[in-house]
Amino acid sequence: AQTVTQSQPEMSVQEAETVTLSCTYDTSESDYYLFWYKQPPSRQMILVIRQEAYKQQNATENRFSVNFQKAAKSFSLKISDSQLGDAAMYFCAYRRGGTSYGKLTFGQGTILTVHP
Amino acid sequence: ETGVTQSPTHLIKTRGQQVTLRCSSQSGHNTVSWYQQALGQGPQFIFQYYREEENGRGNFPPRFSGLQFPNYSSELNVNALELDDSALYLCASSLVAGFYNEQFFGPGTRLTVL
Repeated sequence: AQTVTQSQPEMSVQEAETVTLSCTYDTSESDYYLFWYKQPPSRQMILVIRQEAYKQQNATENRFSVNFQKAAKSFSLKISDSQLGDAAMYFCAYRRGGTSYGKLTFGQGTILTVHP
Repeated sequence: ETGVTQSPTHLIKTRGQQVTLRCSSQSGHNTVSWYQQALGQGPQFIFQYYREEENGRGNFPPRFSGLQFPNYSSELNVNALELDDSALYLCASSLVAGFYNEQFFGPGTRLTVL
């Protein structure tokens, strides 16, 4: 079974600074997707960034980028130029590839606080 | 384009009762997944429905059941409620087209079991 682990229950960052959230996962599959989701206090889960396992290039979405280390099964999220609106719970998630079956396996989450 | 909606927003039940939660998919989506999120935890997959058929199930007992309707909206039913069923229940819809389908989440239903 696949597992996703987020070892940082809470992180904080100053506005305009950079913060990195950690995630490790365990799988025997070679084809899969990894995601970072953001869940603000209003609760609606939003996709931040996605990485396909077969792509060596790290995904980037504006201020958000990932460091995908496939051999180490590590998938960290870097938020640059942090903004107050980035404050939320962040979840790392895994999905098996090669199938239309879309079960997401989530980590425990990291609460990010942004200080003005 | 209408996003994923869920009803009700909040619900309070007592142990042993039954509850039905509802989800309307985003327009054009044919798949609905349900997740249970306990306080301070990550969501746990309950099951997924694709074209009105269950397309996979997580480690939840049979008292958790679901339906998907021809318009792709969905219900989650929980019988014989237990205190541990208190959680945020999230619905996510997606369009299965090939092997990748982004899941769009609704705001959730907060269920409290007393």
